[in-house]
Amino acid sequence: QSVLTQPPSVSAAPGQKVTISCSGSSSNIGNNYVSWYQQVPGTAPKLLIYDNNRRASGIPDRFSGSQSGASATLGITGLQTGDEADYYCVTWDSSLSVVFGGGTKLTVL
Amino acid sequence: EVQLVQSGAEVKEPGESLKISCKVSGYSFTSYWIGWVRQMPGKGLEWVGIIYPGDSDTRYSPSFQGQVSISADKSISSAYLQWSSLKASDTAMYYCARALVRGVNYYFDYWGQGTLVTVSS
Repeated sequence: QSVLTQPPSVSAAPGQKVTISCSGSSSNIGNNYVSWYQQVPGTAPKLLIYDNNRRASGIPDRFSGSQSGASATLGITGLQTGDEADYYCVTWDSSLSVVFGGGTKLTVL
Repeated sequence: EVQLVQSGAEVKEPGESLKISCKVSGYSFTSYWIGWVRQMPGKGLEWVGIIYPGDSDTRYSPSFQGQVSISADKSISSAYLQWSSLKASDTAMYYCARALVRGVNYYFDYWGQGTLVTVSS
């Protein structure tokens, strides 16, 4: 399992807000920037957030990122059915590796 | 337009060798890192390694060090992921991605479509 812990799944209704957590340690999130990726099943991942809270090009402001201590959070407001996907947090770990969280499946009810 | 186009799906037997490719266009190949990411069936993403085509500086995840080899050919703007002896556990989708690297922070902003590698006897 990954050194970054994400909830396996989250869900919310269209139009609502959801947050996805990513918990690590001082070996990773506590001392490095976090990025977030969206992966719609059957497609390649897409960069959403980098440097903890900067949106990648073309990403709407419904998506936001934050980091505090050894944890990071992705927030999505105004949920749309097209947001249904797997979401991954990523950072550098002192084991000399880029590490991905285990992924969170977002269901828009 | 930035594009990363990967080679097609492969079906191999255990013990065989394999080299998959990632051809880029739309930007200077030698100015950005290219990374490889594995996704086993039904599982999450794992970082394999990364190469800077400008000088062939290559870094591997400890989990993949010695298991695969990453290379690049500047003349045809292509990066490669190679195995000398495949195992059934190498069965996965492999993605290449352009990487922005700042210190130890890696961001993959453009991705290939993926290459499915199936290893089975």
